[in-house]
Formats: sequence, C-alpha cells, structure tokens
Amino acid sequence: LAKTTQPISMDSYEGQEVNITCSHNNIATNDYITWYQQFPSQGPRFIIQGYKTKVTNEVASLFIPADRKSSTLSLPRVSLSDTAVYYCLVGEAYGQNFVFGPGTRLSVLP
Amino acid sequence: DAGVTQSPTHLIKTRGQQVTLRCSPISGHKSVSWYQQVLGQGPQFIFQYYEKEERGRGNFPDRFSARQFPNYSSELNVNALLLGDSALYLCASSLGDSPLGYTEAFFGQGTRLTVV
Repeated sequence: LAKTTQPISMDSYEGQEVNITCSHNNIATNDYITWYQQFPSQGPRFIIQGYKTKVTNEVASLFIPADRKSSTLSLPRVSLSDTAVYYCLVGEAYGQNFVFGPGTRLSVLP
Repeated sequence: DAGVTQSPTHLIKTRGQQVTLRCSPISGHKSVSWYQQVLGQGPQFIFQYYEKEERGRGNFPDRFSARQFPNYSSELNVNALLLGDSALYLCASSLGDSPLGYTEAFFGQGTRLTVV
C-alpha cells in the first residue's frame, strides 16, 4: 500500500503558479497517481490523474518523473477560490487501496 | 444531470443509537463507495459496492455495514453509535469497479453526523 507524503500547508498569492509535490517512494508498477481538491463541508473533487510523464487538463498539470517516486500538481495563476485542501492518492487502477492522507491546505492570499 | 446526492445532510444521534445514511449515485454509475472524514483529516475508506456486491472494506468495526440496491443507490448503517463516530460521511460514485481508480469518482456533499 503506497503511502504518500505532502506538505501540510502552503501559502500563495493570486495570479501565481502553485506547485504541490507529493512523495510516494514505494509506488507499485500498477499504481496511478490521482489528485483531489476539497472545499470545507464539501466532498472531494477530482482534479487530475496520471501514470507517468506529464498530464494536463483545463485546470491543472501533473508532472511525474521517470522513477515515479514523486509527483507535482501545478496550478497555474491561482485565484482566491483555489483555497482548499489538495489530496494526493496512489493506487491500482482497479484496486481498492486508495488512502487519503491529511492533504495540503493551500491558502491563496489577495 | 444530478450529481451524487446524500441524505440527510445533518443528523444528531445519541450514543448507542443506530443510524442509516443514504446515497444516490450519478445515473449510469454502478459503483458506490463510502468514506468517513473526521475533522482535520482526509477521508477514510469504509466500503465499496459494485453491481450490488461488496468489493472492498476498510478497517472499520462490524458496527458499520452497507448495501447497494438494484437501482445502485446505497445505504450505510452504523449500529451502537460512539462519540468517535461523529464525522462527515461521504459517498462517491464512479463508472468503473474501483472506488477511486482508473475512472473518475464523484463525491456527494456528505452527511454530517454528530453523536452526543
């Protein structure tokens, strides 16, 4: 069961790019990396998922180095509404073992 | 199209009582998963059901049980409530048979359970 480590909190300013790195040293061959965002009193919301190299969608990019022991979620030009907790999860595509850690609490300041 | 809906939104129960939480998945989604989120922590996996069969169970006591109905809606039951069961209970639905795997999972707003 791959365990993930993320910074507990980060601060940024509006308009800046934010990079949140997640460490998963014992990631398995079949594991995918998934990021979720959660606002207070709401359920988590899927942001992005990847297996290797780089994945980009309309809200974020996910960078995964060749050894896959870490991954970086990149949020371009954050706004106040991006203030939330961001979770990195690692697990098999068809498995059950997805574990949410405490996540990274991102605060975007004006 | 409606998202994942959970009911009730808030609930207050007394220690020792039993509670039933309900979840309706997104239309077409056959997988429903349940999570417990204690304040300040990430969600913890409780159960996953796919096509009415239990596919996964987290590290929770037998006081927790669940089921999925033919229309893919689901109920989570908790017996003999303890103060420590106070949490936000989240339901997630997905197309695939993995709770958070290859296919994107969609979470409901949750049920806030308070045990007094």
